[in-house]
Amino acid sequence: ETGVTQSPTHLIKTRGQQVTLRCSSQSGHNTVSWYQQALGQGPQFIFQYYREEENGRGNFPPRFSGLQFPNYSSELNVNALELDDSALYLCASSGRTVHTDYGYTFGSGTRLTVV
Amino acid sequence: GDSVTQMEGPVTLSEEAFLTINCTYTATGYPSLFWYVQYPGEGLQLLLKATKADDKGSNKGFEATYRKETTSFHLEKGSVQVSDSAVYFCALTSNTNAGKSTFGDGTTLTVKP
Repeated sequence: ETGVTQSPTHLIKTRGQQVTLRCSSQSGHNTVSWYQQALGQGPQFIFQYYREEENGRGNFPPRFSGLQFPNYSSELNVNALELDDSALYLCASSGRTVHTDYGYTFGSGTRLTVV
Repeated sequence: GDSVTQMEGPVTLSEEAFLTINCTYTATGYPSLFWYVQYPGEGLQLLLKATKADDKGSNKGFEATYRKETTSFHLEKGSVQVSDSAVYFCALTSNTNAGKSTFGDGTTLTVKP
């Protein structure tokens, strides 16, 4: 089975620009979550998508938005980039269960640098 | 809200030493608990999990027991190898907020030959 694939692997953007990050979920997984991991910290939950609908959101401003497509792939969009948005962005897929007790399959991440 | 606290690192051990990485949590409801490992330049990989009190998760020689009375999920391994060098993250998923996992800040382990 294929794992979670993210693109691009690295990206440099200028403050104020917009960026789109992409994720293909693991085969058979219909739920995609996005996390932001700053250097030296644990991942912080941005949002989750299930069946193309947002299914939960963390403490991130509205300029962070997402999409999920019928094939369960997903995009993360960030508008008006700020220097503090520099981080590793992780996509994680899972098969949805009532208790979400199976854990995630993570991609290798997109390293975003805002200058 | 939910939170996870891990022992501060970095941790440096000699090969074949015993490893303990402490993890405690605060959560509403009855969370599932996880340990993830992150190797340099890679995403997180699920190492082990436990979904209810007194469950023991185990994988690749690592194990952790879900202790509800002490709200802990400490990671242990009896004999570490150089290849175990990585960052280890403790995490929980609460059944009252099933869309979100909460992670600790990670503990960096370096194993020297």
